Amino acid sequence: AQSVSQHNHHVILSEAASLELGCNYSYGGTVNLFWYVQYPGQHLQLLLKYFSGDPLVKGIKGFEAEFIKSKFSFNLRKPSVQWSDTAEYFCAVILYNNNDMRFGAGTRLTVKP
Amino acid sequence: DVKVTQSSRYLVKRTGEKVFLECVQDMDHENMFWYRQDPGLGLRLIYFSYDVKMKEKGDIPEGYSVSREKKERFSLILESASTNQTSMYLCASSFRTSRSHEQFFGPGTRLTVL
Repeated sequence: AQSVSQHNHHVILSEAASLELGCNYSYGGTVNLFWYVQYPGQHLQLLLKYFSGDPLVKGIKGFEAEFIKSKFSFNLRKPSVQWSDTAEYFCAVILYNNNDMRFGAGTRLTVKP
Repeated sequence: DVKVTQSSRYLVKRTGEKVFLECVQDMDHENMFWYRQDPGLGLRLIYFSYDVKMKEKGDIPEGYSVSREKKERFSLILESASTNQTSMYLCASSFRTSRSHEQFFGPGTRLTVL
């Protein structure tokens, strides 16, 4: 079955540590890729997206993600996390020209001050 | 600013009750979606609609139905609520013609079925 996999369920880091959250998908064909973030008690909001062009995309709050087509991956990175990055992070995929989005199970990030 | 609003933040219902969850968006989006969010399972698509009076089943439509009578409003209906429908329900909307298909989310409704 087609799916989106996030390898880490819960990541705990200290402030200033580097972050990489894995995301792999199993869809063939052209895809649009997203990372959403949900801060405690808040809406899901878009962190960054890829739909064409440079496979390294930059988002808000210093986050970036790299699309590696050969690996079906779209990993999220941040060189130095802050306590305020504590949140749940969701990877999502849409097949090009499709309407419905598929989400990974989410990764909970806890940043210790 | 895009705004997606949901009628309730918290709802408590009894088994067997009919439950209506309402969602309204103010950005003239064609597409609207209902998800449920459960720990360890992420967001799972229940139903979506790409136009008024149109609906498509998502991955977990059983026990749910939807209604889209107006472009800005998308309702999720639990015909006879059961305890396994206790969850967080998220509504989202997007443009149909946008290449990026970014979805905008509401604040969610936390439903408890007793």
